[in-house]
Amino acid sequence: GIQVEQSPPDLILQEGANSTLRCNFSDSVNNLQWFHQNPWGQLINLFYIPSGTKQNGRLSATTVATERYSLLYISSSQTTDSGVYFCAGSMYSGGGADGLTFGKGTHLIIQP
Amino acid sequence: DVKVTQSSRYLVKRTGEKVFLECVQDMDHENMFWYRQDPGLGLRLIYFSYDVKMKEKGDIPEGYSVSREKKERFSLILESASTNQTSMYLCASSHRELWVNTEAFFGQGTRLTVV
Repeated sequence: GIQVEQSPPDLILQEGANSTLRCNFSDSVNNLQWFHQNPWGQLINLFYIPSGTKQNGRLSATTVATERYSLLYISSSQTTDSGVYFCAGSMYSGGGADGLTFGKGTHLIIQP
Repeated sequence: DVKVTQSSRYLVKRTGEKVFLECVQDMDHENMFWYRQDPGLGLRLIYFSYDVKMKEKGDIPEGYSVSREKKERFSLILESASTNQTSMYLCASSHRELWVNTEAFFGQGTRLTVV
């Protein structure tokens, strides 16, 4: 199956800083998502981005499908951005469904 | 808004009990999934379903079964709970287009403790 590698595993920043999180895939995917896990454990959808670039406020994401990686950018970090960020992907080839394979996550801490 | 609802946030069960975790989605999604999340191991797929009464094993199906009698509901069953099934369980659903599974949405999670 697909292997998903996220970097860095941990990141500590001051409030106001910018950050880039990276996700590498071992094989092509046609479904790629970024999530933020809140302190209560729920996965919050950030981006569905199999290719291209998307922006949502201070967050943006870029996926280069041909090179099998995706980047999540967080600008002007706030303490509420703290938490674990996951990327996940799958390659659906027809037939039934296929579950997402998750990376191990980046644990982000924003200090005031 | 898409809504995936899991029946319990926290659950404590005894070893050997039969445990049912319920998940309901309101978006008429074809696909539904069960994952478990453990420290150091991340999120792993247990079972999924792409249609009513259809089920497929994920990466770690041992000790679990599932049921999907209605499109909106997907149940995870622990036939005889064991302490190594203490974990965070997450349900998800997604729509399926021709050759792509679209954006998946997750429930709030169920923290199961087996004592």
